[in-house]
Amino acid sequence: GAVVSQHPSWVICKSGTSVKIECRSLDFQATTMFWYRQFPKQSLMLMATSNEGSKATYEQGVEKDKFLINHASLTLSTLTVTSAHPEDSSFYICSAADPGRYNEQFFGPGTRLTVL
Amino acid sequence: QKEVEQDPGPLSVPEGAIVSLNCTYSNSAFQYFMWYRQYSRKGPELLMYTYSSGNKEDGRFTAQVDKSSKYISLFIRDSQPSDSATYLCAMSASKAAGNKLTFGGGTRVLVKP
Repeated sequence: GAVVSQHPSWVICKSGTSVKIECRSLDFQATTMFWYRQFPKQSLMLMATSNEGSKATYEQGVEKDKFLINHASLTLSTLTVTSAHPEDSSFYICSAADPGRYNEQFFGPGTRLTVL
Repeated sequence: QKEVEQDPGPLSVPEGAIVSLNCTYSNSAFQYFMWYRQYSRKGPELLMYTYSSGNKEDGRFTAQVDKSSKYISLFIRDSQPSDSATYLCAMSASKAAGNKLTFGGGTRVLVKP
């Protein structure tokens, strides 16, 4: 149980385009999901907390207009990187808090974004 | 100074040895302590979860928390090449749904056959 999926697992796009990443909790409902960014050989950096039915809470220094987050249902949160640039290339990971397991966070497999 | 400090390694050990990992932290509000394993280009996988001070054992893994010293450890017995990964410690102050995790930088472990 407690499975979180992400789609796509890998995406390459041209500079200036937008990319949408989906995060799904497959076997539980998550009112709260989190989006992280990870650079090579570095730890996870929290970007934002996504709450179902309300606006996301962004961490300091994260541009909310560039990284659009939508948590439209209890099993799906999306992150859209708008007008992507090469410096946005990174590994994006989501997690979902499972209320049935004391809000333990379960992580998705990650999405590798490469912007050319 | 970071809230959670973790030696980046790499830590190289022979197969069968005990792997010893640790993190120190500065925020006394942290009550919940976790260890995650992350393989290259994969999401983190929860290994151990401990509340407050004490020890917890699960198979080959033992987690220890010393809140008085603000120090947590993870021991892996009878290490296997498949244990080669990056190990991340994480902490939080509560178990509320919106509570954030604070991660250490991760320690890269290599178990040589």
